[in-house]
Amino acid sequence: IQLTQSPSFLSASVGDTVTVTCRASQAVNNYLGWYQKKPGRAPELLIYAASTLQSGVPSRFSGSGFGTEFTLTISSLQPGDSATYYCQHLKGYPITFGQGTRLEIK
Amino acid sequence: DVQLVESGGGLVQPGASLRLTCAASGFTSIDHYMDWFRQAPGKGLEWLGRSRNKGERYSTEYAASVNGRVTISRGEYRNSLYLLMNNVKSEDTAVYFCAKDNGHWAFDIWGQGTLVTVSS
Repeated sequence: IQLTQSPSFLSASVGDTVTVTCRASQAVNNYLGWYQKKPGRAPELLIYAASTLQSGVPSRFSGSGFGTEFTLTISSLQPGDSATYYCQHLKGYPITFGQGTRLEIK
Repeated sequence: DVQLVESGGGLVQPGASLRLTCAASGFTSIDHYMDWFRQAPGKGLEWLGRSRNKGERYSTEYAASVNGRVTISRGEYRNSLYLLMNNVKSEDTAVYFCAKDNGHWAFDIWGQGTLVTVSS
């Protein structure tokens, strides 16, 4: 199953709201997670089961979708949100990730 | 604190073998599915393989890209996960991460990563 994220790059300002889309080549039910990855750091789980907020993650992050189309929305952007965001499915093997969306905060 | 710590990275010669260790603390790793991932320089995240939990006899799954060269195992009494990779190649240069499956199709605990550089 291939995951395609769009856009690949996003530039936005503090306080903005942005949306990242992840499309699966086959239906993955809601077996999808979203991660934030900063250079030199471990990936951090933001959303699992497509729409469930991971404990400790700010409610500015939200996810939605089912089947083949999913979105990650980040509202009230903060400078610390600058990172690369990845979607990942776990409907069978191999587990795959999207190619990533790099978010720049202006 | 719940955490994972990888070790064993470093400079490895092409064709050699490497063994990475993922030490878990704050939870009992054998009760969980555990996976290995890597990120090559400038690239995205890549899944390498998984070890299911003790109840499922630590059965494994591997990515096709490394199948045949990688073995994932457990150190039951050391609360650890291992990755053995044979015949390493330059394209295996990456930061290697281990992670814990949260039971809901995602990975909630990640190690900080260990850098493996394959070069002569």
